[in-house]
Amino acid sequence: SAVISQKPSRDICQRGTSLTIQCQVDSQVTMMFWYRQQPGQSLTLIATANQGSEATYESGFVIDKFPISRPNLTFSTLTVSNMSPEDSSIYLCSVEDYRGLDNEQFFGPGTRLTVL
Amino acid sequence: GQNIDQPTEMTATEGAIVQINCTYQTSGFNGLFWYQQHAGEAPTFLSYNVLDGLEEKGRFSSFLSRSKGYSYLLLKELQMKDSASYLCAVNRVAAAGNKLTFGGGTRVLVKP
Repeated sequence: SAVISQKPSRDICQRGTSLTIQCQVDSQVTMMFWYRQQPGQSLTLIATANQGSEATYESGFVIDKFPISRPNLTFSTLTVSNMSPEDSSIYLCSVEDYRGLDNEQFFGPGTRLTVL
Repeated sequence: GQNIDQPTEMTATEGAIVQINCTYQTSGFNGLFWYQQHAGEAPTFLSYNVLDGLEEKGRFSSFLSRSKGYSYLLLKELQMKDSASYLCAVNRVAAAGNKLTFGGGTRVLVKP
């Protein structure tokens, strides 16, 4: 299975600032995904990041607020811009892995963000 | 749009069986996942069903009926460590590739 790491694991930020979250995978993957999990809630897909093209954003999420980079097949970043307390959440990166018998999607450990 | 429903919370006794139901409405259905998530941790993969029927993996089994838009996760011989949230997620085909939409999660509490 794919091994995914994220940096930072957690951060406390001031309102109005921006934070860039990094996601590193131990193998080349075509599709990477960014999710948000607000306190006590389930996961919500923010965007899909494919290498060599612009990210595709879900309804309610825009590039100006959550710019994404995908410079190669093992790495992606998500920036949370102009943060407000409502952005306090866990941000998770995930990848699809077709090498096993199942069409699995693996998750990174998440980045816990608190905005004051 | 997509609509995925699962119970918010369930309580069961150690050694017992619990069944978590998930109903969904979606277009472009391409399979259904179940994930386990312990508090403060990332979701971990449990099962993937794309065809109708029951898939068994040790103490955990997952069932899918595509015609009914229905799945369940069956946890047998419950252990205290099974206390966690269980997330049902529908995989759907979209223009940019497959996408997962998650239900709200079911918090399972296993009591001694």
